[in-house]
Amino acid sequence: DIQMTQSPSSLSASVGDRVTITCQASQDISNYLNWYQQKPGKAPKLLIYDASNLETGVPSRFSGSGSGTDFTFTISSLQPEDIATYYCQQYDNLPGFSTFGPGTKVDIK
Amino acid sequence: QVQLVQSGAEVKKPGSSVKVSCKASGGTFSSYAISWVRQAPGQGLEWMGGIIPIFGTANYAQKFQGRVTITTDESTSTAYMELSSLRSEDTAVYYCVGGVGAFDYWGQGTLVTVSS
Repeated sequence: DIQMTQSPSSLSASVGDRVTITCQASQDISNYLNWYQQKPGKAPKLLIYDASNLETGVPSRFSGSGSGTDFTFTISSLQPEDIATYYCQQYDNLPGFSTFGPGTKVDIK
Repeated sequence: QVQLVQSGAEVKKPGSSVKVSCKASGGTFSSYAISWVRQAPGQGLEWMGGIIPIFGTANYAQKFQGRVTITTDESTSTAYMELSSLRSEDTAVYYCVGGVGAFDYWGQGTLVTVSS
């Protein structure tokens, strides 16, 4: 199985700050990488698909980049409603296997 | 808009099995993959396995091989996940999720508690 790592595991930032989370795959996954937001007690929500594509309806302050093994997720200006845990997820091109990263918890300072 | 509605919470004894259902509506059931993702209390997301109804063949994470079975019933647009030989560590919320590659649609989650 492909292993995913994320860093940091948690962060605390001020409203308006730029926040960056990184995700690394144990082998080349091309751009088969998605990002999710999960708020307490809720199901995760897809934010970014295929590394850099913004899901419909998701605010433009969220963005993603990268390919191969190294990926970045950015919130350009942190808002109070962005408090959540963020997960990266890789998938096979054919809908076969998938793995989530361990998550990054984002708090307001 | 696809909606996934899961069966209700379960309490199971160690060593037993649980079968969770996931009924889809609002889309073409056979056109997208269904996966199962679980989340233990206070922990992260864990992909267990997935299936494309039109193909009918499931793939499973190595961790769950031999213990999980994912099936679908196209006649009722329902997917099932059965987990056997339950232990306390299997206590978690189990989500069915729909989508090809990206998980666009999520069920509401089913809490499975394993306790003697």
